[in-house]
Amino acid sequence: GIQVEQSPPDLILQEGANSTLRCNFSDSVNNLQWFHQNPWGQLINLFYIPSGTKQNGRLSATTVATERYSLLYISSSQTTDSGVYFCAVVIPGTASKLTFGTGTRLQVTL
Amino acid sequence: DGGITQSPKYLFRKEGQNVTLSCEQNLNHDAMYWYRQDPGQGLRLIYYSQIVNDFQKGDIAEGYSVSREKKESFPLTVTSAQKNPTAFYLCASTDQPGPVPSEQYFGPGTRLTVT
Repeated sequence: GIQVEQSPPDLILQEGANSTLRCNFSDSVNNLQWFHQNPWGQLINLFYIPSGTKQNGRLSATTVATERYSLLYISSSQTTDSGVYFCAVVIPGTASKLTFGTGTRLQVTL
Repeated sequence: DGGITQSPKYLFRKEGQNVTLSCEQNLNHDAMYWYRQDPGQGLRLIYYSQIVNDFQKGDIAEGYSVSREKKESFPLTVTSAQKNPTAFYLCASTDQPGPVPSEQYFGPGTRLTVT
């Protein structure tokens, strides 16, 4: 099956710093989503981005489907950004089933 | 207020007992999904349903069962045959299960502990 790898696995930042999270996938996809899992376990939708670039406040994401990767940028990080970030992909013809990466655990300190 | 609700938030059961987790959505979405998350890992698909009265196994369906009698409801039963049932269970839905996937949304999850 498709492999979805995220890097780095762990990241510690000081408040105000910028970061880039990466998601590589091993096969063609027709959907990619980025999620933030907060400390209570809730998965929060960040981006639905099968291709191209989107921005939402301090966060932006870029997916280059032809090269099989996506990037999530976090600028001016805040302590509330802490948690686990997941990317998840859908393989064409699979009824929108999401295959998740193993996540990047982010800790933002004061 | 539209969304996906899961109940209960925490559930404790003795080994050998079946337990049913609730998932309800008022988003009028056609497709619903159940995922399992173990500590430090990503989510894995248990079962999914694209339409009422129809559902398919996901990657880790053994020891689980589902039903889809109503569009808005997709309960998951964890049976005594599931060898490691203790986990965090998340329900999700999306409105277009066809060839162009739509954005998938998640409920708040149920933490199941079996002792």
